[in-house]
Amino acid sequence: EIVMTQSPATLSVSPGERATLSCRASQSVSSNLAWYQQKPGQAPRLLIYDTSTRATGIPARFSGSGSGTEFALTISSLQSEDFAVYYCQQYDNWWTFGQGTKVEIK
Amino acid sequence: EVQLVESGGGLVQPGGSLRLSCAASGFTFSTYTMNWVRQAPGKGLEWVSYISSRSSTIYYTDSVKGRFTISRDNAKNSLYLQMNSLRDEDTAVYYCARDGVIPFDIWGQGTMVTVSS
Repeated sequence: EIVMTQSPATLSVSPGERATLSCRASQSVSSNLAWYQQKPGQAPRLLIYDTSTRATGIPARFSGSGSGTEFALTISSLQSEDFAVYYCQQYDNWWTFGQGTKVEIK
Repeated sequence: EVQLVESGGGLVQPGGSLRLSCAASGFTFSTYTMNWVRQAPGKGLEWVSYISSRSSTIYYTDSVKGRFTISRDNAKNSLYLQMNSLRDEDTAVYYCARDGVIPFDIWGQGTMVTVSS
């Protein structure tokens, strides 16, 4: 099983600041990496797939990068609606999620 | 509107059974693979099961093999998860999620399953 490790567990950021979330895979997943946003009481929402492709309707302030085992999600200027938990997921070999990064207001 | 709506959750005793349903609308259900994903209270996401568009390929996570059965009825635009021999650790919100060229792009709102005596 491919293990996905996200860091940090919690990221405290002020509105308007840049946030970078990291995700590491225990073995290469090529570019088969997605990011999801989840707010309390809601289902996850797909943000990014294939490492760097934004899903429909996702603002340009969200961007993804990386390859192989190291990936990142960057939110260029945090808006109030961006404070949430973010999960990475690999779909190269079965499907596994990271444990999540909570982005909170500083 | 593209939509998935889960139902069938509830409170069940350990060892009991429950059948979850996921009703799809707004897209051609029969052309998409589907998944079940669960989230225990206060925890992260865990993939549970996968079914191909014509049910020819099915996968399960190890912890539910032999206890859960995924199925679909393309004529009814519906996905199912039959859960038997339920354990405390199966307590979670269960989501169905559409899969395809774009992975897990549509999710239902989830249905809560509580296993407790």
